[in-house]
Parts: sequence; C-alpha cells; structure tokens
Amino acid sequence: DTAVSQTPKYLVTQMGNDKSIKCEQNLGHDTMYWYKQDSKKFLKIMFSYNNKELIINETVPNRFSPKSPDKAHLNLHINSLELGDSAVYFCASSQLSGGADTQYFGPGTRLTVL
Amino acid sequence: LAKTTQPISMDSYEGQEVNITCSHNNIATNDYITWYQQFPSQGPRFIIQGYKTKVTNEVASLFIPADRKSSTLSLPRVSLSDTAVYYCLRNAGNNRKLIWGLGTSLAVNP
Repeated sequence: DTAVSQTPKYLVTQMGNDKSIKCEQNLGHDTMYWYKQDSKKFLKIMFSYNNKELIINETVPNRFSPKSPDKAHLNLHINSLELGDSAVYFCASSQLSGGADTQYFGPGTRLTVL
Repeated sequence: LAKTTQPISMDSYEGQEVNITCSHNNIATNDYITWYQQFPSQGPRFIIQGYKTKVTNEVASLFIPADRKSSTLSLPRVSLSDTAVYYCLRNAGNNRKLIWGLGTSLAVNP
C-alpha cells in the first residue's frame, strides 16, 4: 500500500544510454513532480504535471522528457545519459487544494552513470 | 532573485529545543512556508506549513513574523532520531512556484 512508488530503486548505466524511471501514486492526487537531488543534497524541481498537463518545466536539458499516461503515473525518460546526470531522482505527488499543497515523496531512484 | 536561505548545519544535544531559521526576504503575498524532513536514503517528508504567526502540530512549531521575511522551525526536546536534513520551502498556491532552501543538516548528539 505504498503511496508513491518508483522503479527502479537503483540504476547503473553507461554514458550515452537511454533510460526511464517510473513513478506511480495511489493517493488519487492531481499533481506529480520530478526532482533531482545531487550529492550535496540540493533538491532541484525539474517538472510538475497536473492532470497530465505540464505546469512546471524548469531549465532542464531536453534530454529529459517527462511522460504522464494518466494522472497516477509520471515517468521520466532520459536520453544520451551523461556523467552529470548521476543523482537521486525523486518523484512526488500532491492534491490541488488552492493553497500550498503538501507533497508526498517516493523513496528515490539512485542513478549512476559510468 | 527569489531565494530561500537557511544554515547549512546545526548541532544539538538530546532533550534540547532546536530552532532553525529560514530567510525569504522577497516572499510574495501568496507564498506559504513549508518545512520538510529528510532522512538518509529516503524522500523528504512534510513536517509543518504556515502562512503567518504561529502554527503548532504534534512534532514541531513554526513561527512566522508579521513581515514574513523569515520563519523559524522549532523542534522541542530533540532526540537522536531527529538527526536529518531539514528543508525550508516557499510554495505559491497550487505549487506553481517552488523555491527550496539548500537544507539544514541537523546532528543531535547524545
């Protein structure tokens, strides 16, 4: 009964490869997010989707492409992986309330690019 | 440039009260302040949220002065299990704007 789940938990790959990280939430939330957290623990918002519509799209290389097949899923596809992409990627979700919405985070996916 | 600034690290001892202050000088009218806690190898977890004055829940208090240019997270009587990184977040309505602090690493010592 995990609220926000991500797969895989660990991902080790070579430079230049293409990979995807999947995220699912069973909270019935309207909004989902992708974050990147580097080794210094900086949390950087990458994307936010509301009901399958992109609402936040920070300055992120276009090698990163989010895909939301439905409001319970937000996947992250990364093309041509680079060493600097190594980080922990967190998915989160929240329910639109009109105010500042509490985000519920997944356990993270640790991506290592060799 | 919108920023959210907090100390990089703090040390405390079990049983003490810990106060972590976040600066957000150019906070907007519709911004809320939210604090999250993160343990190693886990995602951040919501602690408390406020707009102004004082908010208290079962784990923490949040003080926001009238000018809202800063906020203080107060953890009463910390224990070793409160050792974590604490993030201050400015978020506008419907989370269309998210400005995170760089996190404060709190170490609670026996």
